[in-house]
Amino acid sequence: DSGVTQTPKHLITATGQRVTLRCSPRSGDLSVYWYQQSLDQGLQFLIQYYNGEERAKGNILERFSAQQFPDLHSELNLSSLELGDSALYFCASGLGGASGELFFGEGSRLTVL
Amino acid sequence: TQLLEQSPQFLSIQEGENLTVYCNSSSVFSSLQWYRQEPGEGPVLLVTVVTGGEVKKLKRLTFQFGDARKDSSLHITAAQPGDTGLYLCAGFQGGKLIFGQGTELSVKP
Repeated sequence: DSGVTQTPKHLITATGQRVTLRCSPRSGDLSVYWYQQSLDQGLQFLIQYYNGEERAKGNILERFSAQQFPDLHSELNLSSLELGDSALYFCASGLGGASGELFFGEGSRLTVL
Repeated sequence: TQLLEQSPQFLSIQEGENLTVYCNSSSVFSSLQWYRQEPGEGPVLLVTVVTGGEVKKLKRLTFQFGDARKDSSLHITAAQPGDTGLYLCAGFQGGKLIFGQGTELSVKP
């Protein structure tokens, strides 16, 4: 158990819909990272938050947004969903340094039909 | 193009064989990490290599960081079925932890 909790574990929805994925980081970790994992693209960095502030951004689509709340949990919002958004979405937490270990949740599997 | 290129992408071997997985980049990294991911789970950190030329051992796994800090390798001695999984190298660039595309290892009994 990494200490990182992600909900929901599985989500099936239709194209055009909007979903919210939730992440609770490990106790004491200030940094939250979101990744998308698909078979053809591998594990792609989306965005990082540190203590409520956005710190780094990857190739995150404009249809996607995220935030980190004062209690340090984070949400990833995916809107106007397309078939290609079907993937595993991972949240990871860490202390926030440039060389530290990340602790990953078990992921949220999104299927867009 | 991937910032971190891993090879091979797939590897299927028999129990007891040795194998090496490579992680290469044209960029210099202050450190590289190796993670292992099993189906239905998130990646778990195996090791971080920091110094050019560094060699770290974790039981039957040996990790090496290239002298120029642009590449790393993972060598598994006498592989076992329990070693089956996705092996990922990763490095920080611009504050982002970037992953290679992974090596899918299958060890058959």
